[in-house]
Amino acid sequence: EAGVAQSPRYKIIEKRQSVAFWCNPISGHATLYWYQQILGQGPKLLIQFQNNGVVDDSQLPKDRFSAERLKGVDSTLKIQPAKLEDSAVYLCASSLYRGLNTEAFFGQGTRLTVV
Amino acid sequence: QQQVKQSPQSLIVQKGGIPIINCAYENTAFDYFPWYQQFPGKGPALLIAIRPDVSEKKEGRFTISFNKSAKQFSLHIMDSQPGDSATYFCAASTILNYGGSQGNLIFGKGTKLSVKP
Repeated sequence: EAGVAQSPRYKIIEKRQSVAFWCNPISGHATLYWYQQILGQGPKLLIQFQNNGVVDDSQLPKDRFSAERLKGVDSTLKIQPAKLEDSAVYLCASSLYRGLNTEAFFGQGTRLTVV
Repeated sequence: QQQVKQSPQSLIVQKGGIPIINCAYENTAFDYFPWYQQFPGKGPALLIAIRPDVSEKKEGRFTISFNKSAKQFSLHIMDSQPGDSATYFCAASTILNYGGSQGNLIFGKGTKLSVKP
């Protein structure tokens, strides 16, 4: 079974530039998550999708972050404009569905450095 | 109330030792408590998880102990090996219907474990 695929693996941008990350979840997984992991900390949820609908984006900084999941499969997370404090690893995760089978499978992440 | 507090921040043990990592939570709505293992450059991977209706769960060398009244849970690694050197995260979530937050994992800050040969 293929895992969660993310690209790019690394990205370096200057502050105020924009950046986009891509995620392809495990086939058949209805729920998709984006997490932000700052160095030395645990992952923090940014947004959760159920199929192609947003079910929780309460912790997404909506003035600069946006995410979409077209057709309920792939997802993109965008930051515009980036700030220095956005430097982190952005992890995508997917699970079969919400609730009873909550095991989330994580991708390797995209390491973003904002300079 | 959404926090999960994890300790210690780092831990060094000798091969064969039994490292113990502790976590505490406040939100009594949490009903799913997984532990994730993360190697450098990799995403977290589920190690073992427990529901609050049991006090202990063992899978191989990994054991979760759960104390519902104290709102604490811990991970024990028996006969630890150098290959267990990684960062371990506890987490908590709700799997019963709890509105938009259902399934969202709240992570602790992590424990960096080093197992010396």
